[in-house]
Amino acid sequence: RKEVEQDPGPFNVPEGATVAFNCTYSNSASQSFFWYRQDCRKEPKLLMSVYSSGNEDGRFTAQLNRASQYISLLIRDSKLSDSATYLCVVRDSNYQLIWGAGTKLIIKP
Amino acid sequence: GAGVSQTPSNKVTEKGKYVELRCDPISGHTALYWYRQSLGQGPEFLIYFQGTGAADDSGLPNDRFFAVRPEGSVSTLKIQRTERGDSAVYLCASSRGGGSLDEQFFGPGTRLTVL
Repeated sequence: RKEVEQDPGPFNVPEGATVAFNCTYSNSASQSFFWYRQDCRKEPKLLMSVYSSGNEDGRFTAQLNRASQYISLLIRDSKLSDSATYLCVVRDSNYQLIWGAGTKLIIKP
Repeated sequence: GAGVSQTPSNKVTEKGKYVELRCDPISGHTALYWYRQSLGQGPEFLIYFQGTGAADDSGLPNDRFFAVRPEGSVSTLKIQRTERGDSAVYLCASSRGGGSLDEQFFGPGTRLTVL
């Protein structure tokens, strides 16, 4: 079983729609959680950290459920520029970043 | 300000050759990380430096891989006797410290192809 699991997609979504990604992690001792965005042939960039209380940044909302070891990302009013791969990332007790394989999102006009 | 830079951007080599990949972190960042990303996968941790020392090298796949950071700034990842399976994008990241909430900033990567 992979340490961080994501649906690889692709998710094909019309512009303006709401889309949600989920991610599960196996190490209950994991300490911090992130969503990164990666455009094709580019480096990953931090989208947002994920806090236990849930957090929002504009059109993006992240949730963490420690009991279920589950992280989610919600994108509202999706834009063409949101097309990318979204990587769920968990920081374990050794401070290593453990990455999911990513979920590919394609926003269609 | 300058971000993390990596050279070369692309490297094509033949099986069995030696390669060096360079990373210039953001100035003042004490923590430096190397990752490897294969197609369709997330980055895979290789090694973490805090200053000049390797604080965690548990991700290096075998003894053909070695990394140094002699002055606590620039780092070089060295791969001996390259194999076709080493083909991947090698990403370097740096952060201000090594704390669990410190954001890691990534360089553009070096795409290594072993023929």
